[in-house]
Amino acid sequence: EVQVVESGGGLVQPGGSLRLSCTTSGFTFSSSSMTWVRQAPGQGLEWVANIHPVGSEEVVYVDSVRGRFTISRDNAKSSIYLQMERLRAEDTAVYYCARPGQCSGDRCYWDYWGQGTLVTVSS
Amino acid sequence: IQLTQSPSSLSASVGDRVIITCRASQGIGSYLAWYQQKPGKAPRLLIYAASTLQGGVPSRFSGSGSGTDFTLTISSLQPEDSATYFCLQLNSFPFTFGQGTRLEIK
Repeated sequence: EVQVVESGGGLVQPGGSLRLSCTTSGFTFSSSSMTWVRQAPGQGLEWVANIHPVGSEEVVYVDSVRGRFTISRDNAKSSIYLQMERLRAEDTAVYYCARPGQCSGDRCYWDYWGQGTLVTVSS
Repeated sequence: IQLTQSPSSLSASVGDRVIITCRASQGIGSYLAWYQQKPGKAPRLLIYAASTLQGGVPSRFSGSGSGTDFTLTISSLQPEDSATYFCLQLNSFPFTFGQGTRLEIK
């Protein structure tokens, strides 16, 4: 059974840092891309970052976090991370980790999501 | 690529046929998915590649379209379909979602 579990959220002051973790099981993690998506309170969904499988480890970010957030992975722990620096009030959101496991052609769609972890940026 | 959903919200009765549309600001082929989200829960994949039903999703859900215009249809609305629905494009970075359609059961 595929499992995706986020952790590390909490309250942080503007300008502060936080590291989110996403631990997975039940699939071949090392060959899978992984994704972070966030949702501000009462708002829609926003894709944040992608990391490709080992071998390419290409990373891609939405413009609003590029230069402040860093996505990384540890294949030995079947985990990905999101290091968030210089946090702003507008980064307040539930952060979801998702696995793009439902593939069709050359695209894989996010079929398993964690329960999310809340990040609140406030003084 | 901007995705515009319509309507933003709707109210319908059990048994009704419901159609939600998603329009892309430029062509995205068939690289579109539909998600259902209930309060306090993670999104659930319903449809991928514009028209393929995800395993375990009831057959009353269907998707169609390609290029810039897409639809999600619920053929016979059920009480458990009360939720917010989002479209998502995976044609190119940055991946983007529609703003959501809130569906209420009368």
